[in-house]
Amino acid sequence: DGGITQSPKYLFRKEGQNVTLSCEQNLNHDAMYWYRQDPGQGLRLIYYSQIVNDFQKGDIAEGYSVSREKKESFPLTVTSAQKNPTAFYLCASGQGQKNQPQHFGDGTRLSIL
Amino acid sequence: AQKVTQAQTEISVVEKEDVTLDCVYETRDTTYYLFWYKQPPSGELVFLIRRNSFDEQNEISGRYSWNFQKSTSSFNFTITASQVVDSAVYFCALSEAIGGATNKLIFGTGTLLAVQP
Repeated sequence: DGGITQSPKYLFRKEGQNVTLSCEQNLNHDAMYWYRQDPGQGLRLIYYSQIVNDFQKGDIAEGYSVSREKKESFPLTVTSAQKNPTAFYLCASGQGQKNQPQHFGDGTRLSIL
Repeated sequence: AQKVTQAQTEISVVEKEDVTLDCVYETRDTTYYLFWYKQPPSGELVFLIRRNSFDEQNEISGRYSWNFQKSTSSFNFTITASQVVDSAVYFCALSEAIGGATNKLIFGTGTLLAVQP
């Protein structure tokens, strides 16, 4: 089945540690996105990528990094510089056009130990 | 600025009641697109509907219907004869171009719908 796979479902981070969230899609979409969801705040865009080897900062990129070496994959690293990383992280992909919906994965819940 | 407001934080209804979720948006674009997503407890956002700004026809899909009114910048979502499986967080979103041909979604804060049996 076509879709977006995020792993792991739950992740715990220690102080000073970097952690990487995986996102894979087999929908053949060019564009991929990372959103952060906090209670009562909706979703906010962290990073996005329109094509392979290119990505751009979203609204809350500080403390995060990404890579896009393959069309199917868009991993997100939460660095130690992100002081408040506890949140629900959602990866999405889409055809990248304004009139097209984005399709989302199941999410990764990150917590601080 | 582009903005989406969902003023209802939580709504609780009893099964078989009708319920309307409100969405008000602000945009400077003359052509724009609005979306509704459902987020069940499992966490995944499920796409429900897309509406473009130049088509004000209301849409019905089974028990779901959407009322788009450009004059009041609203895109409300009604569930008829609600069921327990409708319990979820519902998000309204506005599509914004962010460079090249790529868009991003501007989300409202969501409305938690609880349908009691």
